[in-house]
Amino acid sequence: GESVGLHLPTLSVQEGDNSIINCAYSNSASDYFIWYKQESGKGPQFIIDIRSNMDKRQGQRVTVLLNKTVKHLSLQIAATQPGDSAVYFCAERVSWGKLQFGAGTQVVVTP
Amino acid sequence: GAGVSQSPSNKVTEKGKDVELRCDPISGHTALYWYRQSLGQGLEFLIYFQGNSAPDKSGLPSDRFSAERTGGSVSTLTIQRTQQEDSAVYLCASSLEGDRAAYEQYFGPGTRLTVT
Repeated sequence: GESVGLHLPTLSVQEGDNSIINCAYSNSASDYFIWYKQESGKGPQFIIDIRSNMDKRQGQRVTVLLNKTVKHLSLQIAATQPGDSAVYFCAERVSWGKLQFGAGTQVVVTP
Repeated sequence: GAGVSQSPSNKVTEKGKDVELRCDPISGHTALYWYRQSLGQGLEFLIYFQGNSAPDKSGLPSDRFSAERTGGSVSTLTIQRTQQEDSAVYLCASSLEGDRAAYEQYFGPGTRLTVT
């Protein structure tokens, strides 16, 4: 079946550097793509979304890029901080109310 | 204000027993979602409610799983005759109405279910 997946299970980043988390998707009909952050012992937290008719969207220290040609989604975190250490999930909205999540990437920020 | 709350936070049960997991959404949120997260895995959609009705139950793994929502607020996920493969963290989320709200979901801390 169609699915959302991530290229790298773990990403180690030095504090202050930029992080890039990648995600491949296969459902061309999804209208929104979303990034969530999950800290240990907590539920996921919404970070940013991008509509399928957009290529780029910026938030506070984060940028999401969507490449529909190769069905690729990425999350860029600028000046990574220790508080950014978490698991990051990409998700796509396959129908109203139904999100399909990828497996997640563990981001570890080192001093 | 208060976020999504779930109870219990941890539940250990014997194989074959029934369990009930509770979710209290954020006040005023009309949509409510249940997900399952196995160790080191992503979130698996189970069901979502709009008010008290469940337009999409497609993610429920088997007929041992059921969920209800009363008064447009609290929801209960029931697993009958639990199996070891049911062990996971069960997450609940809620959101407002509207197109954007369908993906900007607010999650609770989850209930960790262990079936022995």
